[in-house]
Amino acid sequence: AQSVAQPEDQVNVAEGNPLTVKCTYSVSGNPYLFWYVQYPNRGLQFLLKYITGDNLVKGSYGFEAEFNKSQTSFHLKKPSALVSDSALYFCAVRERVDSNYQLIWGAGTKLIIKP
Amino acid sequence: GAGVSQSPSNKVTEKGKDVELRCDPISGHTALYWYRQSLGQGLEFLIYFQGNSAPDKSGLPSDRFSAERTGGSVSTLTIQRTQQEDSAVYLCASSLAAGANYGYTFGSGTRLTVV
Repeated sequence: AQSVAQPEDQVNVAEGNPLTVKCTYSVSGNPYLFWYVQYPNRGLQFLLKYITGDNLVKGSYGFEAEFNKSQTSFHLKKPSALVSDSALYFCAVRERVDSNYQLIWGAGTKLIIKP
Repeated sequence: GAGVSQSPSNKVTEKGKDVELRCDPISGHTALYWYRQSLGQGLEFLIYFQGNSAPDKSGLPSDRFSAERTGGSVSTLTIQRTQQEDSAVYLCASSLAAGANYGYTFGSGTRLTVV
């Protein structure tokens, strides 16, 4: 079975500094990987995905993620953090279930950007 | 509609009462998912509908929980004899029949409070 791990419950970053939110995965075959963000009192919003192609994927709100096959990682990054980036971030990997696919979710990482 | 719509957005109910939560997925999305999220926590899978197939109910926490999807569109999650531990945000998501290649689109959730 596929799995995804977010090793940090919380990440604290000062505004203007670069941020990284970590995600590692375990899959058989080529992974389909996703990042979602959840702002307070909202549903999850899609940020970016990796299916194939360039290892560096660019997404919404200036975020990007780097796919690293040898390290089985898909860390989310942003060069300069904003206070408004404070939210809950989820990594997910696609898993085949019978003849369909579902997303398997990490536990989430709370990102706090301090002014 | 343009997005996934959930109603009500907030529901306060007395312990022991039944509640119904509604999800209206994106038109054309044949897959529909229900998740439960405790405050600031990760996603707990509840149930998954795919087209006309039998739903995957493996995540339902007890027989007080049930869900149906009428006409392959709108879904209703019913919780009978609510308990205080049922208090959470219930999130609905939908995706295309191709599965999770394109990720899920989430609604804003229903915040259920059992008093």
